[in-house]
Amino acid sequence: SQQGEEDPQALSIQEGENATMNCSYKTSINNLQWYRQNSGRGLVHLILIRSNEREKHSGRLRVTLDTSKKSSSLLITASRAADTASYFCATDEVTGFQKLVFGTGTRLLVSP
Amino acid sequence: EAQVTQNPRYLITVTGKKLTVTCSQNMNHEYMSWYRQDPGLGLRQIYYSMNVEVTDKGDVPEGYKVSRKEKRNFPLILESPSPNQTSLYFCASSSVGGFSSYEQYFGPGTRLTVT
Repeated sequence: SQQGEEDPQALSIQEGENATMNCSYKTSINNLQWYRQNSGRGLVHLILIRSNEREKHSGRLRVTLDTSKKSSSLLITASRAADTASYFCATDEVTGFQKLVFGTGTRLLVSP
Repeated sequence: EAQVTQNPRYLITVTGKKLTVTCSQNMNHEYMSWYRQDPGLGLRQIYYSMNVEVTDKGDVPEGYKVSRKEKRNFPLILESPSPNQTSLYFCASSSVGGFSSYEQYFGPGTRLTVT
């Protein structure tokens, strides 16, 4: 079952610009996680935000969570070409013990 | 170095020929999981394991088997592969604690083609 839906599906920006990706989900969650995937490779964990948190930062990453709207956003500031990748949100549903449900991802292209 | 390893990385096989994809982690994680990734469908969970000898079905378990005899290893078995199992497969592991999940560590992936 698909929980998270990312928006947009694809995003193309220039180096130095900010990139914002959104994730919407359907049910109550324990936490929401963001992952990055370089083409065809394994996913890399970026950040985890718990349901009682509203905002979290990690380096150039800023994640927000609005549980009333069942949505989250990932902001990458001052993008670099190396940020080119697919980004996935994953939700930990309250009813699913330890289970992460992944969205279909946003493909980000950062051009030099 | 903390890592999840998978073998093989690439595999082309024929319908019906049994195969096993191995997965091993060196972080002493209790939780391990298998996913498949298909275009437009994201990652879907096949099976997961909470600890040794404890496994359960994910969202798409049909046609797959798993075992967890040792904490570090979680092989994925396709007894009779079919073309619709052509996909990119990922193994992942994480710690457990309470009811909520922790960050998952992913292997590099196994690209399987069944002809």
